[in-house]
Amino acid sequence: AQKITQTQPGMFVQEKEAVTLDCTYDTSDQSYGLFWYKQPSSGEMIFLIYQGSYDEQNATEGRYSLNFQKARKSANLVISASQLGDSAMYFCAMREFSGNTGKLIFGQGTTLQVKP
Amino acid sequence: NAGVMQNPRHLVRRRGQEARLRCSPMKGHSHVYWYRQLPEEGLKFMVYLQKENIIDESGMPKERFSAEFPKEGPSILRIQQVVRGDSAAYFCASSVGGSSYNEQFFGPGTRLTVL
Repeated sequence: AQKITQTQPGMFVQEKEAVTLDCTYDTSDQSYGLFWYKQPSSGEMIFLIYQGSYDEQNATEGRYSLNFQKARKSANLVISASQLGDSAMYFCAMREFSGNTGKLIFGQGTTLQVKP
Repeated sequence: NAGVMQNPRHLVRRRGQEARLRCSPMKGHSHVYWYRQLPEEGLKFMVYLQKENIIDESGMPKERFSAEFPKEGPSILRIQQVVRGDSAAYFCASSVGGSSYNEQFFGPGTRLTVL
């Protein structure tokens, strides 16, 4: 069954440093997509970055990059040069492309706190 | 182009009452997904609808919960006879198509509190 695991309930990082948020996934599909979302204390879900299972290059979006290791089934989010505004909950999610329902499977989330 | 709209943003109900949550998808989007987020947890898929059709309701509780997306108007998630365990944030997402390749855009959520 499809599953997303985020093993870090909470993380701290010093402002301006880089931080890695872990995500591992389980799927029997060959074709799937991996997503990271940010949820600040205000509660909305903000899309950050996407990686397709057939993408050979790791995805990057500004200060966000996705360290995709397909054989290990991991899709870690790297945030470079952390800012105070990065303090939030971060969710890893997966969508399998078979079945064509498009539903997202989310992990439990990691709370990131950026220290000044 | 307005984003996904959800209302109300906050809803308080007493046990046994009904809760109706509304979702207006982005303009041009005809596919809607509902997710529930319990406190301190990730989002869990509930139901996927197209106009006038339920496509996948595998995440919906069997009793008290129903969803619709009529030809005209917003999608409605209805919870009958609410219990304290229904207290959660309910998110709606919309997409232009039903393919897994279509990006889902999330609304701001409705926070339901059951007293």
